Amino acid sequence: AQSVTQLDSQVPVFEEAPVELRCNYSSSVSVYLFWYVQYPNQGLQLLLKYLSGSTLVKGINGFEAEFNKSQTSFHLRKPSVHISDTAEYFCAVFYPYNTDKLIFGTGTRLQVFP
Amino acid sequence: EAGVTQFPSHSVIEKGQTVTLRCDPISGHDNLYWYRRVMGKEIKFLLHFVKESKQDESGMPNNRFLAERTGGTYSTLKVQPAELEDSGVYFCASSQLSTGLTYEQYFGPGTRLTVT
Repeated sequence: AQSVTQLDSQVPVFEEAPVELRCNYSSSVSVYLFWYVQYPNQGLQLLLKYLSGSTLVKGINGFEAEFNKSQTSFHLRKPSVHISDTAEYFCAVFYPYNTDKLIFGTGTRLQVFP
Repeated sequence: EAGVTQFPSHSVIEKGQTVTLRCDPISGHDNLYWYRRVMGKEIKFLLHFVKESKQDESGMPNNRFLAERTGGTYSTLKVQPAELEDSGVYFCASSQLSTGLTYEQYFGPGTRLTVT
């Protein structure tokens, strides 16, 4: 079955500390991978995506993610977070040539403290 | 360029009532999707329109949900009669068909539906 697992439902961190939000997916075929962010009272915004090529993907607001095919992971990282990064982050998978729907994880709420 | 818009932003209704959610996609986007997030769970796909046709409605929970996209522009999602378990946030997304970049889905702010 196609699924996405975000193991951490909440991640508290102090400002300027590094953070990693974990995402694992199940698939035996090639997939496209995405991270979306939802700031309070806003819609989902695309943070970054992996389609092919370099396994290290850089996105907006200083975030990056690394695709690891052998571990079927796509963890999101930021070396130094800001208060404004407080939001909910969703990992999603797209199966090309199969369906047009995105399959999401349950989300990780990042709370940045001063 | 205007993004995906959804109306209303919030709706509180009683069990058994009817609610209609509306989504206006980005102009020129032929693909339109509905997703739903029940509290604390994942965002789940409901259905996909290509223009006015339903391409995939495998995620629709039951026949109390009716989605339409007359004319291939905006879409409505009607829930009739609403049940408590229908509460959640309903997201709409759109993407271009002509470019083949159907994975580039742009999301609206969502409609928070509360059924009491």
